[in-house]
Amino acid sequence: DQQVKQNSPSLSVQEGRISILNCDYTNSMFDYFLWYKKYPAEGPTFLISISSIKDKNEDGRFTVFLNKSAKHLSLHIVPSQPGDSAVYFCAASERSGGSNYKLTFGKGTLLTVNP
Amino acid sequence: SQTIHQWPATLVQPVGSPLSLECTVEGTSNPNLYWYRQAAGRGLQLLFYSVGIGQISSEVPQNLSASRPQDRQFILSSKKLLLSDSGFYLCAWSVDRGPGKGTGELFFGEGSRLTVL
Repeated sequence: DQQVKQNSPSLSVQEGRISILNCDYTNSMFDYFLWYKKYPAEGPTFLISISSIKDKNEDGRFTVFLNKSAKHLSLHIVPSQPGDSAVYFCAASERSGGSNYKLTFGKGTLLTVNP
Repeated sequence: SQTIHQWPATLVQPVGSPLSLECTVEGTSNPNLYWYRQAAGRGLQLLFYSVGIGQISSEVPQNLSASRPQDRQFILSSKKLLLSDSGFYLCAWSVDRGPGKGTGELFFGEGSRLTVL
């Protein structure tokens, strides 16, 4: 049973436009969410996170939105740049539960930003 | 600043051979340590995590084992590799925030590409 789902395996966007990556989760105990970016043959790097007490967190060109009632979060990249081309992983954790040491990852979405 | 290193970067091994991947973290003490695997077409699967020396938790039944002989050293091993063990293995660490405080960001190593033939 996949608790974190990224239903779009790939996304292609034109440079300068907005990229929207989506993520859904099923575990209502998740209360902390993260996005990671991964280039080929490298380890993932942390991008941005959001706590369940918020519905939006912004860091430069990156904004994460959380809709708890829908168990849905999204990552917006504006404006998109060719260097943003990578695989983006959504991850979630339970801060107050017994699994507080672990992150559960989605399968990732390959973003391609075309010049 | 904290750094994490894992090696070897690439490994090609025959079926039935042993495996040892090593990971070390510098610049922090008592980190939580993790081994993840990214198999083709799949996400990042947590294999093992450790909250202290000699303390290993296994997430999925498998052909692999992990050990933490020192505070900042984490080793992934197998006595006999299977074809299905092929994948991209990632070591990661996080700050130990204590019970009930959840994990923050994970910081990943460069990854080790294992091909079992």
